[in-house]
Amino acid sequence: DADVTQTPRNRITKTGKRIMLECSQTKGHDRMYWYRQDPGLGLRLIYYSFDVKDINKGEISDGYSVSRQAQAKFSLSLESAIPNQTALYFCATSEDRYYGYTFGSGTRLTVV
Amino acid sequence: RKEVEQDPGPFNVPEGATVAFNCTYSNSASQSFFWYRQDCRKEPKLLMSVYSSGNEDGRFTAQLNRASQYISLLIRDSKLSDSATYLCVVNGGQAGTALIFGKGTTLSVSS
Repeated sequence: DADVTQTPRNRITKTGKRIMLECSQTKGHDRMYWYRQDPGLGLRLIYYSFDVKDINKGEISDGYSVSRQAQAKFSLSLESAIPNQTALYFCATSEDRYYGYTFGSGTRLTVV
Repeated sequence: RKEVEQDPGPFNVPEGATVAFNCTYSNSASQSFFWYRQDCRKEPKLLMSVYSSGNEDGRFTAQLNRASQYISLLIRDSKLSDSATYLCVVNGGQAGTALIFGKGTTLSVSS
C-alpha cells in the first residue's frame, strides 16, 4: 500500500456540486497538507494541519474547507465547485518542518 | 519578489551532458531546502535535501549559498530518464509554516 493514498484519482463534477477529496497516510506523521497544481502556477498551498486540532489556511483557501478526522486522515471539500477549481490536487505528509514531504498520487478534478 | 524563483526552461540537452539549475528564495529565515522531481501528471518526489556544505548523490550535486539566497542543482552525465520537471523547495522560515515550491524547471534529455 502507498504511504499516502488519495481518493478519488479522477473526478468530473458539475458546477455547484459539493465534492470531497480524501487523503489517508500510513507514515504516522502529524503534519498533513493539501496543495493544488495548475499549469504555469506551480504547487499552491490550500490548507495544512500540524495535528488533529490544528488547522491552518494556506495561500488559496477561499472556496475550500478541510477536516482532520484522525492523525491519518485529512479531507478537502469544495462546498460549491466552480470551473476554476479544475486542477490537480495533492495531499502530502511530513514528519516535521525540517523534512521533505511525501505526496499522494493526486486527484485530477474537473469542474464542468 | 516571488518567494521561490526558478528558470522555467525548458532545458534541452543530449544524453551525457551536464546541466545546472538555479533557484533563488526570498525568505532569509528559511532553514530547509530541497529539490524535488516531478514527472508529467505525477506527484512530486523528493530528489535530495540541500545542506549548507553542499551534498552529492550519485550524478546529482546540490549547493546552497545562504548569503545570496541561492540554491543550485547539477546533473552530470544526463540520462533519458532524467527528463522531468525539477522543483526547488524551501520552508517558510517559521515553525508554523509549510514548504514553498518553485514553479519548476523542465529538463528534456534526448538521445
